[in-house]
Amino acid sequence: GESVGLHLPTLSVQEGDNSIINCAYSNSASDYFIWYKQESGKGPQFIIDIRSNMDKRQGQRVTVLLNKTVKHLSLQIAATQPGDSAVYFCAETRHGNNRLAFGKGNQVVVIP
Amino acid sequence: DAGITQSPRHKVTETGTPVTLRCHQTENHRYMYWYRQDPGHGLRLIHYSYGVKDTDKGEVSDGYSVSRSKTEDFLLTLESATSSQTSVYFCAISDRADTDTQYFGPGTRLTVL
Repeated sequence: GESVGLHLPTLSVQEGDNSIINCAYSNSASDYFIWYKQESGKGPQFIIDIRSNMDKRQGQRVTVLLNKTVKHLSLQIAATQPGDSAVYFCAETRHGNNRLAFGKGNQVVVIP
Repeated sequence: DAGITQSPRHKVTETGTPVTLRCHQTENHRYMYWYRQDPGHGLRLIHYSYGVKDTDKGEVSDGYSVSRSKTEDFLLTLESATSSQTSVYFCAISDRADTDTQYFGPGTRLTVL
């Protein structure tokens, strides 16, 4: 796999703590949002998604929160593990649009 | 990587030479996409396809062409490679029957000297 060395905001988290990664989106018409994880040397990997008719959605150790009023999306990772070290970025789209708009991403570094 | 392969995985070429990157999927998804990823820019859409022989331009399509003769294959061609096309290229697929989620391949690192 491949990845790119990006100069990104970095969140350093102690192993076992919870992580919160934030994303501001720009298009108020967007109605579908996705979080991706990109590990070093790999392609982006789908983590979780949420539609605009929801405020919260939970997966395994991850929760996505959507605040449409302020156009803000967050990803919470519970009990962060070393394998969670990666770049995380959000994507938005409007159903029917063929394209996703991607955020620049946040680097998460888990400290053992 | 959701049944997506990309070839080659690494390529070094010289300015002015043609280059073709291949994306192959085994998911029978209708939509396929080509992105490039560069520092400071994130993922940018080059071209996408919404069916066999049906393609459209993305935001950074200049200098690139694509072809899709079969559902499973989507080719990206750089007719005459330039140093500004040095990048990591990702293919993605989407079914869009239910969601707009795109699934990505492992990427190709292309260096144009």
